[in-house]
Parts: sequence; structure tokens; C-alpha cells
Amino acid sequence: DVKVTQSSRYLVKRTGEKVFLECVQDMDHENMFWYRQDPGLGLRLIYFSYDVKMKEKGDIPEGYSVSREKKERFSLILESASTNQTSMYLCASSLFRGNTQYFGPGTRLTVL
Amino acid sequence: SQQGEEDPQALSIQEGENATMNCSYKTSINNLQWYRQNSGRGLVHLILIRSNEREKHSGRLRVTLDTSKKSSSLLITASRAADTASYFCATDLRGNEKLTFGTGTRLTIIP
Repeated sequence: DVKVTQSSRYLVKRTGEKVFLECVQDMDHENMFWYRQDPGLGLRLIYFSYDVKMKEKGDIPEGYSVSREKKERFSLILESASTNQTSMYLCASSLFRGNTQYFGPGTRLTVL
Repeated sequence: SQQGEEDPQALSIQEGENATMNCSYKTSINNLQWYRQNSGRGLVHLILIRSNEREKHSGRLRVTLDTSKKSSSLLITASRAADTASYFCATDLRGNEKLTFGTGTRLTIIP
């Protein structure tokens, strides 16, 4: 079975802090994604990567950056956390573009 | 507005009944997928239907796709308490190769 793990289930940070969310997948997938999920808004794509060292902006990249130094690891970085970034963050990976995505358990981030 | 929009937003039914939820989308797709999310957890893939398919089954799940109406439905037969979850449709837009998710249907099964 594909396993996608995220570094924390719950995280509390202060405004202005730099925040790192880590995601690791164990199935050698090329494609990895970061979403945020907010009530009434569904899942929104922040960034994605189709290859190591490659990154592309999704629909809401402002305030975020990503890093993909190794195929299995995709990190989401909040350069200077703000209260409006309080959300559930979900990482996913897929073998083929546009095909089945496998999700991690999510990180619920609260920014105070 | 969202590419995929589920209807209804919330649904409560008795255990054993069938649950039907719908998804509408706006532009041409390569495929449409349904996912389930238990409270506070990640999403789990349920079923994928390609644009040239009209119906697909997986256990108690039946998915239909009508590309002329740009809509899909997910039917869960003989519902169980464990089916209580949020259900999302996701579309792979032609030429896009990324998934666009709807806002979900919250399904509650009453024992």
C-alpha cells in the first residue's frame, strides 16, 4: 500500500514564524501536491511538483514556498506565518498525472 | 466557483438505505474521481471513471458519468454507520493534468 506521511498531525505556531511542513511518500511517485482545506472551500492546490527539483504554483501559492530535494520528500514552507494560514494542510502523491492521488493524514496548523 | 460542485452539501439517512450524491462540473474532463474523508483525516480514493465510461462499480459503490450534462453521481447502497464521512468529487480537466476538488457532501448514517 502507498503510504504518505506528514511530519505533524497538529501544530501551533506564532505569527511571523517560519513553518516547515514535511511530507514523505514511499511509493516512488513522481508527482506530489500540497493542498489546504478550509470549511466551505474544499481543497485548494497550493503547489505541486512533477519531478525532483521541479515545482509549480497551484491556485493559492501566495505566502508559501516548497522544496523538493529528493523524490520522496516534498516540503511546504510558510515564510512568515499569518493567522489566515490557520488551516488543515494535506499532502498527496500520484504515480500518473491527473490520476489517483494518495493523501497523508493531514496537519492541522493553528497560527496565533 | 468550484469546477466540481457536490450536491447536496449534507445528507442524513437511516442505516441500510441508499445514499446518492451528485457532482457537476464546467469543462471537459479526462476523468472524474470520488474520494472519502473521515473526520479530521486525509482523503481516500474510492473510484475513478474515465470520460469514455458511463458507469462503474466497486463493491457497494456505483458511479455514473454523463458528459453531456457534465455531471456524475455516487450511489452507496445498503449504507452502514462506517460510511459516515465527507465525499468529494475531483475532476482531471482536459489539458490540465491536475485534480480540481469540489467542496464535498457530508454524509451521516443514522444507526
